[in-house]
This record gives sequence, structure tokens and C-alpha cells, in this order.
Amino acid sequence: DAKTTQPTSMDCAEGRAANLPCNHSTISGNEYVYWYRQIHSQGPQYIIHGLKNNETNEMASLIITEDRKSSTLILPHATLRDTAVYYCIVRVGSDKLIFGTGTRLQVFP
Amino acid sequence: DGGITQSPKYLFRKEGQNVTLSCEQNLNHDAMYWYRQDPGQGLRLIYYSQIVNDFQKGDIAEGYSVSREKKESFPLTVTSAQKNPTAFYLCASSIPLYRVGLGGYTFGSGTRLTVV
Repeated sequence: DAKTTQPTSMDCAEGRAANLPCNHSTISGNEYVYWYRQIHSQGPQYIIHGLKNNETNEMASLIITEDRKSSTLILPHATLRDTAVYYCIVRVGSDKLIFGTGTRLQVFP
Repeated sequence: DGGITQSPKYLFRKEGQNVTLSCEQNLNHDAMYWYRQDPGQGLRLIYYSQIVNDFQKGDIAEGYSVSREKKESFPLTVTSAQKNPTAFYLCASSIPLYRVGLGGYTFGSGTRLTVV
């Protein structure tokens, strides 16, 4: 079973920040939080990951709460091409990624 | 450029036939994975391999088989025992967990299998 919960869908206006929440209340101390996205009929694309500290790269920012029970993926200036399903995943000890159903983000003009 | 290649992109199979999906990577990744995705659903793990000549069952391994004779290759065979094989199949590779700080999984572009 997936160890994360995410809203089923979200909308965001083009040019605005998209904030995608994720709950991982049972996360263990050595488990990383990963974010991927999947554009229709393509393979998932790695976005970002983190352990404790907030992380930022060219695609997004990841904010992890101090208790690590939840996180937020931030796309600072959403574009139409960011429309996709976003998966929040906790990497389990056996190296497997267990996917949930993700959040379908729709960016509108 | 390094990457992971799945072939073919589309595959049609008659009921009762076995079919093999190809997955090749030149990323020098130790671990490889096969996932299945049904319409509107998330990904479910079929098999994974963390090292050559070793592989483990995932959550839905029944009706599938794999081999890992080379580091670069992890083919998946969908056997006639798989009752509902029509799906989108995704292959991925990754660095070992102890080096996880360097990044995540790389996925192929998928193979869409249809049983006719």
C-alpha cells in the first residue's frame, strides 16, 4: 500500500504558483520523500526529493515540515505544460518506489 | 545521452501467447524495475532487480517472468497465465538506495500492450 495521501485533483492558473500537498504521517527517519510527475501516456519524470531540509532545483521546490509528516511541492510559475499527474512517494527500505494514485494538476490559461 | 529504452512502443498479442517486452539502460544503474499501469490508475510494481542474476517479486508478479543476465537489460515476459494483460508497462532503473542522495528513478517511455 502507498504510504502517502494526496488530493485527487487540483487546478492552477497559468503563471501562478502550484502548491501540491502530500501527507506521509508514517514516514520513518531514514526515508526520503520523492516527487514524480507523469504526463499522459509517458513515463514518470523525476522532479525532486528530500529527507529533512527544504530543497530547490530548476523544476520545483520541496517543503518538508519539521515533523516530516507532510510536504508540499511548489511549482513557482505553472505553465500549461505542467499539467500532469504528480506522485508523492516515500522510498521504502528495499529500494522500491510504491506509487499511489497521485494528484491530477490541471493548469488553465 | 544516457537513458532507458523500452521497445516496442505498441504491442498486440493474441490470447494465449507469451510476449516479451524489452528494457535496456545505459545509465550504469544497478537496480531495474517493471511497473504496470491501468487507465486512470497509479503504477503497480511487477518485478524488480537490484543486481545482476537476482530479482524479486513485486506486488503483482503472477503471470509475469523476468531475467537479469546483464546489468543493462531487464526483459519482462507476459505469459498466457496473466489473465488481464492489456495495460501500459513501464520500466525504470535507479542507483542503489545507499546512494539515494544522488537522485531518483529514471523511467522509460513505456510499452502499451493490447490483447486482441
